[in-house]
Amino acid sequence: EAGVAQSPRYKIIEKRQSVAFWCNPISGHATLYWYQQILGQGPKLLIQFQNNGVVDDSQLPKDRFSAERLKGVDSTLKIQPAKLEDSAVYLCASSLRDGYGYTFGSGTRLTVV
Amino acid sequence: DQQVKQNSPSLSVQEGRISILNCDYTNSMFDYFLWYKKYPAEGPTFLISISSIKDKNEDGRFTVFLNKSAKHLSLHIVPSQPGDSAVYFCAASAEGGSEKLVFGKGTKLTVNP
Repeated sequence: EAGVAQSPRYKIIEKRQSVAFWCNPISGHATLYWYQQILGQGPKLLIQFQNNGVVDDSQLPKDRFSAERLKGVDSTLKIQPAKLEDSAVYLCASSLRDGYGYTFGSGTRLTVV
Repeated sequence: DQQVKQNSPSLSVQEGRISILNCDYTNSMFDYFLWYKKYPAEGPTFLISISSIKDKNEDGRFTVFLNKSAKHLSLHIVPSQPGDSAVYFCAASAEGGSEKLVFGKGTKLTVNP
């Protein structure tokens, strides 16, 4: 079974630039999550999708972050404009509807300079 | 407000000895707890979980203990091996695991040969 795919693996941008991350979940997983992990912290949920609908985006900084999951499969997370404090690893995870099979991707390491 | 706390940022043990990683939580709605292991440049991988209806779950060298009254859980690794060296995250969820995961900050375990 293929895992959760994320790209790119690494990204370096200047502050105020825009960046987008892509995630392809495990086939058949209805739920998709984006987490932000700042160095020295645990992963923090940014947004949760159930199919293509948003379940929880309470911790997403909506003035600069946006995410979509078209057709209930792939998802993109965008930051526009980026700030220095956005430097982190962005993890995508997916699971079956009831949370079973929760699996993380390898993440995208973003550095904002 | 940290709902899941891992108060030891690091732990060092000798190969063959027991490793004990601790985790405390504050939200009484949490009823499902997980431990994840994370190597550098990889996403967290699921290690072991426990439901609040149990107080112990064992899988090979890994055992998780849950003390609901103290809102405390621990992960025991016996015997510890150098390959166990990684960051271990404690996570908690409500609704039997179908709700979002809330992570602690992690404990970096080093197993010395």
